[in-house]
Amino acid sequence: DAGITQSPRHKVTETGTPVTLRCHQTENHRYMYWYRQDPGHGLRLIHYSYGVKDTDKGEVSDGYSVSRSKTEDFLLTLESATSSQTSVYFCAITDEDRGIYEQYFGPGTRLTVT
Amino acid sequence: QKEVEQNSGPLSVPEGAIASLNCTYSDRGSQSFFWYRQYSGKSPELIMFIYSNGDKEDGRFTAQLNKASQYVSLLIRDSQPSDSATYLCAADTGRRALTFGSGTRLQVQP
Repeated sequence: DAGITQSPRHKVTETGTPVTLRCHQTENHRYMYWYRQDPGHGLRLIHYSYGVKDTDKGEVSDGYSVSRSKTEDFLLTLESATSSQTSVYFCAITDEDRGIYEQYFGPGTRLTVT
Repeated sequence: QKEVEQNSGPLSVPEGAIASLNCTYSDRGSQSFFWYRQYSGKSPELIMFIYSNGDKEDGRFTAQLNKASQYVSLLIRDSQPSDSATYLCAADTGRRALTFGSGTRLQVQP
């Protein structure tokens, strides 16, 4: 399972509240990613990180921020949650030692914004 | 907008048949392509990747890549009911990130 955990696994929150999702990895991978998955849209990249304090935006970054202060943790924050952010959120890592950049996913967080 | 397109399905095949899943991509700069399997309520798991034109085989799975046609496919031989899942195609973006298709749902009928 590539040593990836996500917390919480399920969360229900109200519109307008801040929410932080955590991704934790145990294998010292440099690259980490946050995706959201919605019916009919597949996986869409929100943000990714290529090292501590080094992050970049993906295709659906509006309304989200990230932080990476330690190699093992990549946090995704919804500053003010909206109903359109109801989704399943997946964290992923790249095992760059294998050289082909395939990604491995965490178990996911199901977020419901009411 | 870099896109990866897949038919959403469902693709229904009888047990023991060959399932053929297809994917097209728009970015000619993409070099590597990935197939993931996702069971309902679970996270995607990598099946295989391909980066050279032609075929790549791994057990019952064969990935095919045609860069001139911008076409990737996955063949599953001797399909089993346990192969019933959504199959996601992905292409690299050149920034160590992937662009995913929306997936094809495969149903293998016993």
